[in-house]
Amino acid sequence: DQQVKQNSPSLSVQEGRISILNCDYTNSMFDYFLWYKKYPAEGPTFLISISSIKDKNEDGRFTVFLNKSAKHLSLHIVPSQPGDSAVYFCAAQRGSGTYKYIFGTGTRLKVLA
Amino acid sequence: KAGVTQTPRYLIKTRGQQVTLSCSPISGHRSVSWYQQTPGQGLQFLFEYFSETQRNKGNFPGRFSGRQFSNSRSEMNVSTLELGDSALYLCASSRDPTGQGTKETQYFGPGTRLLVL
Repeated sequence: DQQVKQNSPSLSVQEGRISILNCDYTNSMFDYFLWYKKYPAEGPTFLISISSIKDKNEDGRFTVFLNKSAKHLSLHIVPSQPGDSAVYFCAAQRGSGTYKYIFGTGTRLKVLA
Repeated sequence: KAGVTQTPRYLIKTRGQQVTLSCSPISGHRSVSWYQQTPGQGLQFLFEYFSETQRNKGNFPGRFSGRQFSNSRSEMNVSTLELGDSALYLCASSRDPTGQGTKETQYFGPGTRLLVL
């Protein structure tokens, strides 16, 4: 049972344009969400997070939106740069007491120069 | 500050053997989690340790085990290796200053790529 889903395995965007990566979840008990970026042969790198009490969080070129009623979150990258080409994972955490993250299967973003 | 380190980076084993992977968390981080990444499956949670105690465990068979030492370093062990155990094994650490597993970011190491032949 995939509780966190990233339905687009890949996405191509022109440099300078907006990249939008989507993530859906099924467990309404999730209350903390994160996005990680992963390059080949490296571990995931933390990008941005959002608590369920918020609906938006920004950090530079990265913005995460959370729609709790739709159980959907998205990551916007503006403007997209070639160095953003990587696999992006969304992750969800439920409650406290442990750092068990549930990850999606990832979306491979390719930013075309 | 040094990041999460994992050794070895690459490993080749044969079916039936066992393997031990090591993880050194970021200095001051007390929580260590392990994940398995396979193609098409994303990252699957294996287990988490805090203060030398397993705090949570994922849905993996008992062949997968781990431990944490007093300096927060952690090891995971896989016994009786199967072909399906070939994967990237990632370790992540968090500060967790209160010991309550509150909302803090996990930072990942580069992983150990295990190939089982």
